[in-house]
Amino acid sequence: AQSVAQPEDQVNVAEGNPLTVKCTYSVSGNPYLFWYVQYPNRGLQFLLKYITGDNLVKGSYGFEAEFNKSQTSFHLKKPSALVSDSALYFCAVRDRESGYSTLTFGKGTMLLVSP
Amino acid sequence: EAQVTQNPRYLITVTGKKLTVTCSQNMNHEYMSWYRQDPGLGLRQIYYSMNVEVTDKGDVPEGYKVSRKEKRNFPLILESPSPNQTSLYFCASSLSIVGRGGYTFGSGTRLTVV
Repeated sequence: AQSVAQPEDQVNVAEGNPLTVKCTYSVSGNPYLFWYVQYPNRGLQFLLKYITGDNLVKGSYGFEAEFNKSQTSFHLKKPSALVSDSALYFCAVRDRESGYSTLTFGKGTMLLVSP
Repeated sequence: EAQVTQNPRYLITVTGKKLTVTCSQNMNHEYMSWYRQDPGLGLRQIYYSMNVEVTDKGDVPEGYKVSRKEKRNFPLILESPSPNQTSLYFCASSLSIVGRGGYTFGSGTRLTVV
């Protein structure tokens, strides 16, 4: 079975400060990992993904995420937060070696960036 | 424009009145899926389809039906809606269920059952 944990329901950060949204995962094999963002009254938008190779993945809107296999983590980061980054963020995992599998999502973390 | 289109965006209905939420994608994706989003529970998968005429249950299939008669369409059917099906629903598609791709999501359908 595969699962994702996002331990924080909400993250608060001031504009201009660095931000981190945490994600840990569990799969039986090796993972494909994803981050999605949901703005109010909108669908989920793809931010970035880890497939293989470099552990630091860069994505849309200046976001990046670091894959850490030993800690089974895939934390989302941004060096300088913007008020417009305020949204709901979802981490998702798919087991690479299961043959086929759907994406399993975490419960989401609300990011609030204050001016 | 490549997209997943859901209709309607908002729906208020009464208990027991059958309804259908439509989903269509124009990317020739094989894989389609329905999720519901509830506060504190995140996204939970209802049903998915790996190709035409191939569907399977997700984590929370009770009270829902789906069909996949054409590759582009994957409607979600609630035969007898109940208030616990009040939720935000998302349709998603992917090129394949195997491999490294993520999903493309529709804009969502907010359903209220009274």
